[in-house]
Amino acid sequence: EPEVTQTPSHQVTQMGQEVILRCVPISNHLYFYWYRQILGQKVEFLVSFYNNEISEKSEIFDDQFSVERPDGSNFTLKIRSTKLEDSAMYFCASSRTGAGYGYTFGSGTRLTVV
Amino acid sequence: AQSVTQLGSHVSVSEGALVLLRCNYSSSVPPYLFWYVQYPNQGLQLLLKYTTGATLVKGINGFEAEFKKSETSFHLTKPSAHMSDAAEYFCAVSDPPSNTGKLIFGQGTTLQVKP
Repeated sequence: EPEVTQTPSHQVTQMGQEVILRCVPISNHLYFYWYRQILGQKVEFLVSFYNNEISEKSEIFDDQFSVERPDGSNFTLKIRSTKLEDSAMYFCASSRTGAGYGYTFGSGTRLTVV
Repeated sequence: AQSVTQLGSHVSVSEGALVLLRCNYSSSVPPYLFWYVQYPNQGLQLLLKYTTGATLVKGINGFEAEFKKSETSFHLTKPSAHMSDAAEYFCAVSDPPSNTGKLIFGQGTTLQVKP
């Protein structure tokens, strides 16, 4: 069964450093998403990406965040200057036609900012 | 704005007992509704979904859920719990007019299954 692959599974970074979280969505999917889950809290929407541009973003997704699909297969989330409160599990997801079809989520990257 | 409320952050049942995880939603239009399961150190796996049509939907691993518009509910059930069902369960909603497919999640319910 096709999978969404996320790397790394765990990343530790110092406050103020830039991090890039990587995702390989399912190859025939067209919609791409990033969500995050702070420990003990609910899963929160960050951003959706379709047709090579951001289609929607949440209030969390401020100027410190950016997304890219640099080569037609990878989908990355960059945090320019990490803060302690960015520590969370970050999930990538992809969908063929949007939410009505259902997403496939990756296993997540646990980001720890120290 | 859409919202999802899952009643009970922890539910404990005995093996073989009925599982009932409650989910209520708020949406201005008929929503799409989903249940996801998260096993330890894994991603979110789709259990089942309601978009249109039959209000009782069946999913994987013997789970089912019923969309009740009058009660704005989408409770998840399984007739007989198995030890392997122990996990975190998330209810989510998406407004159909949204082309982006953004999901709004509830806070999750941890299901414990006792032998």
